Amino acid sequence: GQQVMQIPQYQHVQEGEDFTTYCNSSTTLSNIQWYKQRPGGHPVFLIQLVKSGEVKKQKRLTFQFGEAKKNSSLHITATQTTDVGTYFCAGRATYGQNFVFGPGTRLSVLP
Amino acid sequence: DSGVTQTPKHLITATGQRVTLRCSPRSGDLSVYWYQQSLDQGLQFLIHYYNGEERAKGNILERFSAQQFPDLHSELNLSSLELGDSALYFCASSVDRNTEAFFGQGTRLTVV
Repeated sequence: GQQVMQIPQYQHVQEGEDFTTYCNSSTTLSNIQWYKQRPGGHPVFLIQLVKSGEVKKQKRLTFQFGEAKKNSSLHITATQTTDVGTYFCAGRATYGQNFVFGPGTRLSVLP
Repeated sequence: DSGVTQTPKHLITATGQRVTLRCSPRSGDLSVYWYQQSLDQGLQFLIHYYNGEERAKGNILERFSAQQFPDLHSELNLSSLELGDSALYFCASSVDRNTEAFFGQGTRLTVV
């Protein structure tokens, strides 16, 4: 079945440094979503990408969808302590019924 | 507040017991999803209902079952509980399978 992987599993950065997490699917995706889960909280939707090569920005966050629609990335510029949490990608295969979540990347930001 | 309500927030029960987790989706959302999140783990998809019908099943154990009622609320039933079933159970809802999902606060189940 469809598998979604994310790297790295953990990332520790100094406040102000940049951060990137990568998401890779074993199958071609119809669309991909990104979620953020703060410690002790629930996942919160960040964005959805649909088109091949699509790039979307939300303030300091930049999301990319690969040309082959099998990978995606989330880049955070100049991290802040409020960025702490686990970032999940979730991809739905072209003929899939539901989104499959990656294992997440846990980000720690040292002040 | 996501608009998705899950009850109870915490549940402690003994092995072998049966529990029911409840989820009320956002107003207007027809899709309900259930996920299991073990300690520091990812989100394991359990099951998806759309307007009362089961649409997709993930790695859901036979001891687990779910349903979505005519008023669109959903229940997840966990029976013959084992220690390994201790986890955070999330419910999420969306308008349809292509739109963003809104997660509830989760039910933390502890099996002792």
